[in-house]
Amino acid sequence: AQKVTQAQTEISVVEKEDVTLDCVYETRDTTYYLFWYKQPPSGELVFLIRRNSFDEQNEISGRYSWNFQKSTSSFNFTITASQVVDSAVYFCALSEAGDNYGQNFVFGPGTRLSVLP
Amino acid sequence: NAGVTQTPKFRVLKTGQSMTLLCAQDMNHEYMYWYRQDPGMGLRLIHYSVGEGTTAKGEVPDGYNVSRLKKQNFLLGLESAAPSQTSVYFCASSENRGDPPQHFGDGTRLSIL
Repeated sequence: AQKVTQAQTEISVVEKEDVTLDCVYETRDTTYYLFWYKQPPSGELVFLIRRNSFDEQNEISGRYSWNFQKSTSSFNFTITASQVVDSAVYFCALSEAGDNYGQNFVFGPGTRLSVLP
Repeated sequence: NAGVTQTPKFRVLKTGQSMTLLCAQDMNHEYMYWYRQDPGMGLRLIHYSVGEGTTAKGEVPDGYNVSRLKKQNFLLGLESAAPSQTSVYFCASSENRGDPPQHFGDGTRLSIL
């Protein structure tokens, strides 16, 4: 069975600090996808990134970066120089590829990030 | 650009009452999903649809029914509401088979007394 663990329930940092959100996953599939979503206080869900299991290159998008380590089944998310607007709940998610792709998404419980001014 | 629209945004029901949540998308997406979000549990898939006239069960389908009579609409029904169904419900859509749920509605906060 697939499972996503986000051990950090809540994190608080001061503005401009770097922060890393941890995501550890379990799957029996050799081909799968990993995702991060952001849910700001307004409640909507924002898709941030998708990575497939064949691509272990780290990805950077502005202040956001993602570290995919297949050996440790982790897909961690780092925000550099955090800002108050980064305050949100962040969800990591996992989906197997193949015919069931898109229908077997498993979300982690989320990490609430508070960035203090 | 409405995207995904959910109605209503809030609702309070008594145990045993029925209601329907409406999700409408104007992007001509094939895939639509209903999730529920509970504290500490992330989002869990209730039902989904891969196209007009098709529906399938997700992780937590019990107590819910869905219909996709028109491509743009995905309805979630509670026939006999129970307090355990108190939650925030999100509808989502995606364009193709290979896309994750990318477009979410604003959510419906449902309380069952």
